Amino acid sequence: GQNIDQPTEMTATEGAIVQINCTYQTSGFNRLFWYQQHAGEAPTFLSYNVLDGLEEKGRFSSFLSRSKGYSYLLLKELQMKDSASYLCAVIYSGAGSYQLTFGKGTKLSVIP
Amino acid sequence: EAGVVQSPRYKIIEKKQPVAFWCNPISGHNTLYWYLQNLGQGPELLIRYENEEAVDDSQLPKDRFSAERLKGVDSTLKIQPAELGDSAVYLCASSLGFSNRVADTQYFGPGTRLTVL
Repeated sequence: GQNIDQPTEMTATEGAIVQINCTYQTSGFNRLFWYQQHAGEAPTFLSYNVLDGLEEKGRFSSFLSRSKGYSYLLLKELQMKDSASYLCAVIYSGAGSYQLTFGKGTKLSVIP
Repeated sequence: EAGVVQSPRYKIIEKKQPVAFWCNPISGHNTLYWYLQNLGQGPELLIRYENEEAVDDSQLPKDRFSAERLKGVDSTLKIQPAELGDSAVYLCASSLGFSNRVADTQYFGPGTRLTVL
């Protein structure tokens, strides 16, 4: 299998910083994506990582360590609208194609 | 630029009835995906199209599910007959390149929430 593990739920305070971790099986790894999904809405692309290191996009940053099969999404200056599920997804290459596999998502609740 | 369009947004049917979902991908995107998402879970791939060819339908329950993308643009997903366990959100996504060559970002539509009574 290609298990992708992330915490089920997290709670953080408005204005704070939160880190959402994701671990995955490394065999066949191509790249890793983070999506945001508000309740009842489509997953929205946030970022992707191909190489090791930190990718920064405004208040959101994503980190990747390919050797450890580990990534995290860092959200700074949390706002109430950041309350959503955050999906970690990995593209694995194999059988002649690239396939995207999702984790179960981390439900983030931002409280005042 | 318009995103991925899906209709209907919501559908309630009784078990054993047929149902169909429609998806129009982002213009110019070659690859189209249908996913199923249960509550509290990540999306799971049902079928993937490159142009009009279904290149991966290994997760599609073929006894009751069917899909088509006749002109390589929009697509329909059908369930006949629907069962109680089919209640879920059905998401359509598209990506620019061919999935056997590149690992492009997938962009999702708003989904169809199906309730089977």
